[in-house]
Amino acid sequence: DAGVIQSPRHEVTEMGQEVTLRCKPISGHNSLFWYRQTMMRGLELLIYFNNNVPIDDSGMPEDRFSAKMPNASFSTLKIQPSEPRDSAVYFCASSQLLGTDTQYFGPGTRLTVL
Amino acid sequence: AQSVTQPDIHITVSEGASLELRCNYSYGATPYLFWYVQSPGQGLQLLLKYFSGDTLVQGIKGFEAEFKRSQSSFNLRKPSVHWSDAAEYFCAVGFSGTYKYIFGTGTRLKVLA
Repeated sequence: DAGVIQSPRHEVTEMGQEVTLRCKPISGHNSLFWYRQTMMRGLELLIYFNNNVPIDDSGMPEDRFSAKMPNASFSTLKIQPSEPRDSAVYFCASSQLLGTDTQYFGPGTRLTVL
Repeated sequence: AQSVTQPDIHITVSEGASLELRCNYSYGATPYLFWYVQSPGQGLQLLLKYFSGDTLVQGIKGFEAEFKRSQSSFNLRKPSVHWSDAAEYFCAVGFSGTYKYIFGTGTRLKVLA
Protein backbone atom coordinates (compact mmCIF):
# COMPACT_ATOMS: atom_id res chain seq x y z
CA ASP A 1 0.00 0.00 0.00
CA ALA A 2 1.29 3.46 -0.85
CA GLY A 3 0.11 4.99 2.40
CA VAL A 4 -1.58 8.35 2.66
CA ILE A 5 -0.56 10.60 -0.22
CA GLN A 6 -0.51 14.37 0.03
CA SER A 7 0.25 17.00 -2.57
CA PRO A 8 1.96 19.30 -2.94
CA ARG A 9 4.71 18.63 -0.42
CA HIS A 10 5.65 22.28 -0.31
CA GLU A 11 3.63 25.33 -1.22
CA VAL A 12 4.76 28.93 -1.18
CA THR A 13 2.18 31.56 -1.95
CA GLU A 14 1.46 35.19 -1.39
CA MET A 15 -1.04 36.58 1.04
CA GLY A 16 -4.51 36.73 -0.45
CA GLN A 17 -4.03 33.83 -2.83
CA GLU A 18 -6.12 30.67 -2.78
CA VAL A 19 -4.37 27.51 -1.65
CA THR A 20 -5.61 23.96 -2.21
CA LEU A 21 -4.07 21.01 -0.44
CA ARG A 22 -4.84 17.48 -1.58
CA CYS A 23 -5.01 14.11 0.12
CA LYS A 24 -5.53 10.54 -1.00
CA PRO A 25 -6.27 8.24 1.96
CA ILE A 26 -5.27 4.62 2.23
CA SER A 27 -7.57 2.45 0.14
CA GLY A 28 -10.31 0.92 2.27
CA HIS A 29 -10.08 3.53 5.01
CA ASN A 30 -13.32 5.34 5.61
CA SER A 31 -12.21 8.01 8.05
CA LEU A 32 -10.10 10.99 7.07
CA PHE A 33 -8.59 13.70 9.23
CA TRP A 34 -6.93 17.03 8.46
CA TYR A 35 -4.44 18.36 11.01
CA ARG A 36 -2.33 21.49 11.24
CA GLN A 37 1.04 21.55 12.98
CA THR A 38 2.75 24.71 14.19
CA MET A 39 5.47 25.37 16.72
CA MET A 40 3.14 27.42 18.85
CA ARG A 41 0.07 25.19 18.89
CA GLY A 42 1.41 21.73 18.10
CA LEU A 43 -0.91 19.33 16.29
CA GLU A 44 -4.47 20.54 15.88
CA LEU A 45 -7.35 18.58 14.38
CA LEU A 46 -9.10 20.73 11.81
CA ILE A 47 -11.81 18.48 10.44
CA TYR A 48 -12.85 14.86 10.36
CA PHE A 49 -14.73 12.95 7.65
CA ASN A 50 -16.40 9.59 7.92
CA ASN A 51 -17.64 7.88 4.77
CA ASN A 52 -16.98 11.13 2.86
CA VAL A 53 -19.23 13.13 5.18
CA PRO A 54 -17.81 15.90 7.39
CA ILE A 55 -18.54 14.91 10.97
CA ASP A 56 -16.78 17.58 12.98
CA ASP A 57 -15.31 20.79 11.60
CA SER A 58 -15.08 22.59 14.91
CA GLY A 59 -11.33 22.82 14.54
CA MET A 60 -11.45 24.80 11.32
CA PRO A 61 -10.06 28.16 12.38
CA GLU A 62 -12.05 30.49 10.17
CA ASP A 63 -14.45 30.65 7.27
CA ARG A 64 -11.44 31.06 5.04
CA PHE A 65 -10.84 27.35 5.52
CA SER A 66 -12.99 24.74 3.80
CA ALA A 67 -12.63 21.02 3.19
CA LYS A 68 -14.32 18.58 0.88
CA MET A 69 -14.29 14.86 0.29
CA PRO A 70 -16.07 14.21 -3.00
CA ASN A 71 -15.27 10.48 -2.91
CA ALA A 72 -13.59 7.86 -0.78
CA SER A 73 -10.19 8.37 -2.38
CA PHE A 74 -9.78 12.14 -2.42
CA SER A 75 -10.04 15.13 -0.13
CA THR A 76 -9.09 18.78 -0.38
CA LEU A 77 -8.41 21.49 2.13
CA LYS A 78 -8.77 24.98 0.73
CA ILE A 79 -7.71 28.29 2.21
CA GLN A 80 -9.09 31.40 0.58
CA PRO A 81 -7.75 33.99 0.99
CA SER A 82 -4.54 32.82 2.60
CA GLU A 83 -2.76 34.81 5.32
CA PRO A 84 0.79 34.61 6.70
CA ARG A 85 -0.51 33.12 9.96
CA ASP A 86 -1.76 30.11 7.98
CA SER A 87 1.86 29.08 7.44
CA ALA A 88 2.18 25.60 8.93
CA VAL A 89 2.50 21.95 8.04
CA TYR A 90 -0.82 20.39 7.13
CA PHE A 91 -1.23 16.66 7.62
CA CYS A 92 -3.86 14.32 6.34
CA ALA A 93 -4.48 11.04 8.16
CA SER A 94 -6.81 8.13 7.55
CA SER A 95 -8.11 5.22 9.56
CA GLN A 96 -10.12 2.14 8.81
CA LEU A 97 -12.86 2.16 11.35
CA LEU A 98 -15.18 4.61 12.94
CA GLY A 99 -14.03 5.30 16.43
CA THR A 100 -10.60 5.21 17.90
CA ASP A 101 -8.66 3.20 15.36
CA THR A 102 -5.06 3.77 14.39
CA GLN A 103 -4.60 6.88 12.29
CA TYR A 104 -2.00 6.73 9.53
CA PHE A 105 -0.47 10.04 8.55
CA GLY A 106 0.65 11.39 5.22
CA PRO A 107 3.99 13.19 4.78
CA GLY A 108 2.39 16.61 5.12
CA THR A 109 2.29 19.78 3.08
CA ARG A 110 4.48 22.62 4.27
CA LEU A 111 2.65 25.84 3.49
CA THR A 112 4.37 29.19 3.53
CA VAL A 113 2.28 32.30 3.02
CA LEU A 114 4.36 35.40 2.34
CA ALA B 1 -10.83 17.45 31.10
CA GLN B 2 -8.91 14.92 29.06
CA SER B 3 -5.26 15.78 28.61
CA VAL B 4 -1.91 14.34 27.61
CA THR B 5 1.36 15.50 29.08
CA GLN B 6 4.84 14.93 27.80
CA PRO B 7 6.89 16.63 30.49
CA ASP B 8 10.20 16.60 28.63
CA ILE B 9 10.42 19.00 25.71
CA HIS B 10 13.99 18.05 24.84
CA ILE B 11 16.07 15.01 25.75
CA THR B 12 19.70 14.37 24.82
CA VAL B 13 21.27 10.95 25.11
CA SER B 14 24.48 9.38 23.91
CA GLU B 15 24.37 6.74 21.23
CA GLY B 16 24.09 3.32 22.84
CA ALA B 17 22.50 4.66 26.01
CA SER B 18 19.04 3.68 27.15
CA LEU B 19 16.05 5.95 26.62
CA GLU B 20 12.78 6.58 28.37
CA LEU B 21 10.26 9.17 27.18
CA ARG B 22 7.43 9.99 29.51
CA CYS B 23 3.74 10.32 28.77
CA ASN B 24 0.94 10.88 31.25
CA TYR B 25 -2.74 11.24 30.54
CA SER B 26 -5.79 12.37 32.37
CA TYR B 27 -8.92 10.32 31.72
CA GLY B 28 -11.41 8.39 33.82
CA ALA B 29 -11.35 5.13 31.88
CA THR B 30 -8.75 3.13 29.99
CA PRO B 31 -7.75 5.05 26.91
CA TYR B 32 -6.24 3.90 23.67
CA LEU B 33 -2.58 4.86 23.65
CA PHE B 34 -0.16 5.54 20.81
CA TRP B 35 3.40 6.64 20.24
CA TYR B 36 4.33 8.29 16.97
CA VAL B 37 7.72 9.43 15.71
CA GLN B 38 8.31 12.36 13.38
CA SER B 39 11.63 12.74 11.62
CA PRO B 40 12.52 16.19 10.30
CA GLY B 41 10.39 17.09 7.31
CA GLN B 42 8.41 13.88 7.56
CA GLY B 43 4.96 12.82 8.65
CA LEU B 44 4.11 10.94 11.80
CA GLN B 45 4.94 7.25 11.84
CA LEU B 46 3.25 4.90 14.27
CA LEU B 47 5.73 3.24 16.62
CA LEU B 48 3.33 1.24 18.73
CA LYS B 49 -0.13 1.23 20.24
CA TYR B 50 -2.00 -0.13 23.22
CA PHE B 51 -5.68 -0.97 23.13
CA SER B 52 -5.99 -3.76 25.71
CA GLY B 53 -4.28 -6.89 27.01
CA ASP B 54 -0.62 -7.15 27.84
CA THR B 55 0.50 -3.83 29.26
CA LEU B 56 3.99 -4.11 27.76
CA VAL B 57 3.79 -3.35 24.08
CA GLN B 58 6.48 -3.95 21.51
CA GLY B 59 6.81 -1.67 18.54
CA ILE B 60 8.97 -1.06 15.54
CA LYS B 61 12.62 0.00 15.59
CA GLY B 62 13.23 -1.74 18.92
CA PHE B 63 10.90 0.46 20.94
CA GLU B 64 8.56 -0.69 23.67
CA ALA B 65 6.10 1.01 25.96
CA GLU B 66 4.43 0.04 29.19
CA PHE B 67 0.93 1.04 30.22
CA LYS B 68 0.66 1.64 33.96
CA ARG B 69 -2.91 2.26 34.95
CA SER B 70 -2.06 3.25 38.51
CA GLN B 71 0.23 6.01 37.26
CA SER B 72 -1.82 6.97 34.18
CA SER B 73 1.36 6.61 32.19
CA PHE B 74 2.51 5.13 28.92
CA ASN B 75 6.26 5.62 28.80
CA LEU B 76 8.31 4.77 25.74
CA ARG B 77 11.61 2.94 26.15
CA LYS B 78 14.52 1.72 24.09
CA PRO B 79 17.49 -0.14 25.60
CA SER B 80 20.11 1.22 23.20
CA VAL B 81 19.59 4.36 21.16
CA HIS B 82 20.93 4.73 17.63
CA TRP B 83 21.83 8.03 15.97
CA SER B 84 18.93 7.49 13.55
CA ASP B 85 16.48 7.68 16.46
CA ALA B 86 16.95 11.44 16.63
CA ALA B 87 13.47 12.79 15.96
CA GLU B 88 10.41 14.16 17.70
CA TYR B 89 8.20 11.73 19.56
CA PHE B 90 4.51 12.23 20.18
CA CYS B 91 2.27 10.44 22.61
CA ALA B 92 -1.40 10.34 21.63
CA VAL B 93 -4.47 9.23 23.50
CA GLY B 94 -7.80 8.16 22.10
CA PHE B 95 -10.98 7.68 24.00
CA SER B 96 -13.68 5.09 23.66
CA GLY B 97 -16.68 6.31 21.73
CA THR B 98 -14.86 9.15 20.02
CA TYR B 99 -12.68 9.46 16.98
CA LYS B 100 -10.41 12.12 18.36
CA TYR B 101 -6.85 11.76 19.43
CA ILE B 102 -5.30 14.14 21.89
CA PHE B 103 -1.63 14.62 21.12
CA GLY B 104 1.05 15.55 23.58
CA THR B 105 3.30 18.47 22.78
CA GLY B 106 6.13 16.18 21.74
CA THR B 107 9.62 15.36 22.99
CA ARG B 108 12.54 16.18 20.75
CA LEU B 109 15.31 13.60 21.04
CA LYS B 110 18.90 14.45 20.26
CA VAL B 111 21.48 11.66 20.03
CA LEU B 112 25.15 12.38 20.63
CA ALA B 113 27.72 10.34 18.73
